Amino acid sequence: KQEVTQIPAALSVPEGENLVLNCSFTDSAIYNLQWFRQDPGKGLTSLLLIQSSQREQTSGRLNASLDKSSGRSTLYIAASQPGDSATYLCAGEGGGKLIFGQGTELSVKP
Amino acid sequence: GAVVSQHPSWVICKSGTSVKIECRSLDFQATTMFWYRQFPKQSLMLMATSNEGSKATYEQGVEKDKFLINHASLTLSTLTVTSAHPEDSSFYICSALEGHTNTGELFFGEGSRLTVL
Repeated sequence: KQEVTQIPAALSVPEGENLVLNCSFTDSAIYNLQWFRQDPGKGLTSLLLIQSSQREQTSGRLNASLDKSSGRSTLYIAASQPGDSATYLCAGEGGGKLIFGQGTELSVKP
Repeated sequence: GAVVSQHPSWVICKSGTSVKIECRSLDFQATTMFWYRQFPKQSLMLMATSNEGSKATYEQGVEKDKFLINHASLTLSTLTVTSAHPEDSSFYICSALEGHTNTGELFFGEGSRLTVL
C-alpha cells in the first residue's frame, strides 16, 4: 500500500532563503508525482508534475525532482517570498489513485 | 491550465438534510473525476473515483449510500451527501483528469466547505 510522507510538517524561513521540501513514498511503482500548493480554506493548485519517465521539472523559482529508486521527491524553492506561504502537498499516483502526503506548512517571513 | 469549478463554495445545512456539490470541468472533457475530503490540518483523503457513464468506485470505509456520486457527462460530476450529520462537516474537493492529453495531470476544484449543524 502506497504511503506518502512529507518532512518537515512545518517550516518558517526569512524572505529570500532557498529551501527544500521533502516527500518520500513507500512504493517505487509510483507512476506520477505531483506537487501542489494549498492556501488556507482553498483548493489545490498544481505546481509541478513529474511523469514516470522524468526526473525533474522546473517552473520559475520551483524545481522538483523525483528519484523512484530511493522513493523520494524534493521541491526546491529559490529566493522565497512571503507570497510563497502556504501548505505544500506532494501526491503520488499509483494503481490509478493519487495518494497525498500530510503536507508541509511553509511560512516565509518578510 | 485547465479549470475545474466547484459549486457551492460553502454550504451550511441542518442535520438530516441532503446536500449536492457539483464539479465541472470548464474547458476540457474529464472521463475520470475524483472526490476527496479534507479535515482540518489533515491531508486529502480519496473518497471515490468517478468515471463518466459508470458507477463510482468507492474507497474502503466510504459509504456509497451516504455519498452518492453521479458522473452523467464528460464535464460534470456531482457528490450528494445524504442525510448529513455534523461528522460529515468537512472540506470536499474534486479533481478531474484531462482525458485527451493523457498526461496524468489532475486539476482541482476550489473545494466546497460543508458545515452540518
